[in-house]
Amino acid sequence: EVQLVESGGGLVQPGGSLRLSCAASGFTFSDHYMDWVRQAPGKGLEWVGRIRNKGNSYTTEYAASVNGRFTISRDDSKNSLFLQMNSLKIEDTAVYYCARDSGAVKFDFWGQGTLVTVSS
Amino acid sequence: IQLTQSPSFLSASVGDRVTITCRASQGISSYLAWYQQKPGKAPKLLIYAASALQSGVPSRFSGSGSGTEFTLTISSLQPEDFATYYCQQVNSYPLTFGGGTKVEIK
Repeated sequence: EVQLVESGGGLVQPGGSLRLSCAASGFTFSDHYMDWVRQAPGKGLEWVGRIRNKGNSYTTEYAASVNGRFTISRDDSKNSLFLQMNSLKIEDTAVYYCARDSGAVKFDFWGQGTLVTVSS
Repeated sequence: IQLTQSPSFLSASVGDRVTITCRASQGISSYLAWYQQKPGKAPKLLIYAASALQSGVPSRFSGSGSGTEFTLTISSLQPEDFATYYCQQVNSYPLTFGGGTKVEIK
């Protein structure tokens, strides 16, 4: 069974940093691109970024709203995905989901999400 | 690429046929997916490549379209289908989602 479990969310002050993790199981993690998607309270979905697999040199893509502040990485030996968030802003407050990307055409499995609250 | 969903809110009854439209600001071929989200839950993939039904999704869900106009159809609305639906384009970066369509019980 495919499972994605996010962790690391919490309350952080504006300007602070936080690192989210996503533990994957039930599939060959190293084969897949992985993505982060967020959802502000009461709002729609916003794609945050993507990391490709080893065969594609672990290259990354980011939304303009987070580019230069957020960094996506992965550890295939630990079946883990990470989102390092720096210089956090109030508008980064959201539930953050990791998602398995299949064939770069669909996000076919999602984690349950972890809430990040940026507030003073 | 901006995705505009319509309507943003839809009130319907069990058994109704429901159609949601997603328009892209430029052509995206068939690089479009549809997701269902219930309150407090993660999104669930329904349709990818505009018209391919994801494994395990009931056949009452269907998708069509290409280029700039796409539709998600629920042929006979069931109680468990009351949720918010999002389209997503995966044609080019940044990947984007539509604003959502909330389907509520009439």
